[in-house]
This record gives sequence, structure tokens and C-alpha cells, in this order.
Amino acid sequence: DTGVSQDPRHKITKRGQNVTFRCDPISEHNRLYWYRQTLGQGPEFLTYFQNEAQLEKSRLLSDRFSAERPKGSFSTLEIQRTEQGDSAMYLCASSLAGAYEQFFGPGTRLTVL
Amino acid sequence: GQNIDQPTEMTATEGAIVQINCTYQTSGFNGLFWYQQHAGEAPTFLSYNVLDGLEEKGRFSSFLSRSKGYSYLLLKELQMKDSASYLCAVPSGGYNKLIFGAGTRLAVHP
Repeated sequence: DTGVSQDPRHKITKRGQNVTFRCDPISEHNRLYWYRQTLGQGPEFLTYFQNEAQLEKSRLLSDRFSAERPKGSFSTLEIQRTEQGDSAMYLCASSLAGAYEQFFGPGTRLTVL
Repeated sequence: GQNIDQPTEMTATEGAIVQINCTYQTSGFNGLFWYQQHAGEAPTFLSYNVLDGLEEKGRFSSFLSRSKGYSYLLLKELQMKDSASYLCAVPSGGYNKLIFGAGTRLAVHP
């Protein structure tokens, strides 16, 4: 399968714990996006990478959130000291530079108890 | 800034036709996307319109009017599997992040 993959698919954690999610984009795609989606809403942009450079971050991304894409391939999103309000679906998408269509991964559903 | 509006919920009968509307306001326009999202799954691409008019793709068609800031998704010969959320989105900024509407939940019943 050559689509976008995300791991884990589901994560349940206790408030205050740290969690890390991984996204593997389509191999030739140099653009990578993270979005967050809560129930009944559309996805909201969190951050964007072009190759290994993080070029844009949303104001939604508090200091507890950090994302990396160390070699311009896979990306990780870490949430420190999780809060119940962090419960959401975290979606990763990738695209080719210059192309508008983004391909989404299956998402990681986070539940913070 | 950007603003996207679409109805929250719609219901339709199997075999019928349904039209899902989307209005948008953007500071610049680089096209409009429609995505389908089944419950608990990722959005999947349906269509991309950048020019005015209707684009048909099988049972699904998408229409755009740039002067009116308006688009619609037309679903024909509805099937039960079409029950899903339909998301309208526009690319924004130099890196083309997508700005999504809240989505329209479509329920198809027998």
C-alpha cells in the first residue's frame, strides 16, 4: 500500500501523560500537513512541513505540541502533559509541491481520560 | 480570512439525487475541494474545481461559481454507502493548507 499511514490508530492515555504519533507520507511527497478534527467539525490545520523544514504553525498549536520531520520523510507529533481537550482525531496529509490535492492518512484517534 | 458555510445535516432516499451546497469567503482563491468522510475514517478526495462550471465524475458532480462564492456537490442514484460527511475546503496561504467547513452529514435511508 503506497498511501499515507499513521501509527497508532487509537491511543488512550491519562491526563498529564505524553503521547507521540507517527505519520509516513506517500514516498515522493515533500509536503506534509497535520490537522486535528473534533466531533462534528471539519479538520483544522495544525502545522506544515516542506521536506524537513517546519514552515507554518497554527495558533492552535500550543507549547505542549511539537512536530518534527527529521529527514524529510516520516513525521512525528508529540503532545506533552495531555489535557482532556486534546481528545480528537489527528490527521496527517501529504502532497507534492505545487499540487493542491492532499492525501489523508487514516488518522490517530486520541482519548485523554 | 476564510469562512466556509455548509448545511449541518441532510437526509435523502436511496436512489434519489441530493445537492449539498457550500458558500465560501476567501482572501484569495485557488480552487475548492470536496472530500467524503465516513464516520471514524479519513477524508477521501472527491473533486477539485478551479474554474466555473460543472464537473461530472460518475455519480458525483461538483459545481463552482467564483463570482458568487458558491459550490455544490451533486450526488445521483444515492446508495446506502453514500451516508457520510461531505466536507467543502479551500486551500489557503502560500503552503496551501486546507480550510474546511464543518461538513454536511448525509443520511441515506431506504
